[in-house]
Amino acid sequence: AQSVTQLGSHVSVSEGALVLLRCNYSSSVPPYLFWYVQYPNQGLQLLLKYTTGATLVKGINGFEAEFKKSETSFHLTKPSAHMSDAAEYFCAVGASGGSNYKLTFGKGTLLTVNP
Amino acid sequence: DTAVSQTPKYLVTQMGNDKSIKCEQNLGHDTMYWYKQDSKKFLKIMFSYNNKELIINETVPNRFSPKSPDKAHLNLHINSLELGDSAVYFCASNRQGETQYFGPGTRLLVL
Repeated sequence: AQSVTQLGSHVSVSEGALVLLRCNYSSSVPPYLFWYVQYPNQGLQLLLKYTTGATLVKGINGFEAEFKKSETSFHLTKPSAHMSDAAEYFCAVGASGGSNYKLTFGKGTLLTVNP
Repeated sequence: DTAVSQTPKYLVTQMGNDKSIKCEQNLGHDTMYWYKQDSKKFLKIMFSYNNKELIINETVPNRFSPKSPDKAHLNLHINSLELGDSAVYFCASNRQGETQYFGPGTRLLVL
C-alpha cells in the first residue's frame, strides 16, 4: 500500500524567495517518487523524479528534490521563486520494480507567488 | 506532435446520458491509464491497460468501462452519467516501469 501526504494545501511566497513544498510518503516497497506541476486548465507535467541512485534530483525550471529514506520525505525546493511558478504541485509515489505501477498522488499544494 | 491527446477537451451533458472519452498516444508506450481529478483537485487512478489487457481496475462503478482497441488507444465509456461524475479525466501512458506522461485532460460536467 502507498500513500502521500503533502503538508500545506496552499503555499504563498514572494517573488525571489525560497520555495519549499513538503511531501511525505509511505510505501511497502522501495518507492519511485515524482513531482508533477499542473498549470490552470492544463494537464500534468513532470518536474522531476527519483527512482534509484543519487538522492538529490534536479528537474526542470530550477526545481530540485531530495529523497530522504529515514524521513520518508521528498520535499521540493527552488531557491528563487518566479511568477511563472504559480501552479498546483503534486507529489506522487509509485511502486518500484513493477511493470504496471500505479501512481498514488498527494492532494496537491497550490503555490502562489506574490510580486 | 502531441504525445498524449484526449478528445473531447470539454464535455457538458445531462444526467443519465452515455458518453465516451478518447485517448491516443504516439509515444510507442505499451501501458495506458485513466485518472480522475475531482473538484478538490485530488487525482486517483481508475484503470490501467498493458498491451490491450486490463491490469489495474480500482474501485470504480460498473458504469465506467475502458476499452483499448490497440496499444496506442484507451477509451473510457461512461453509462448513465451522474452528477458526481463531473471531474477532469486524465489519460496517461508509459513504457513499463518508466515515467507516466499525461494528456491535457477532459473536463466533464454533468448537469
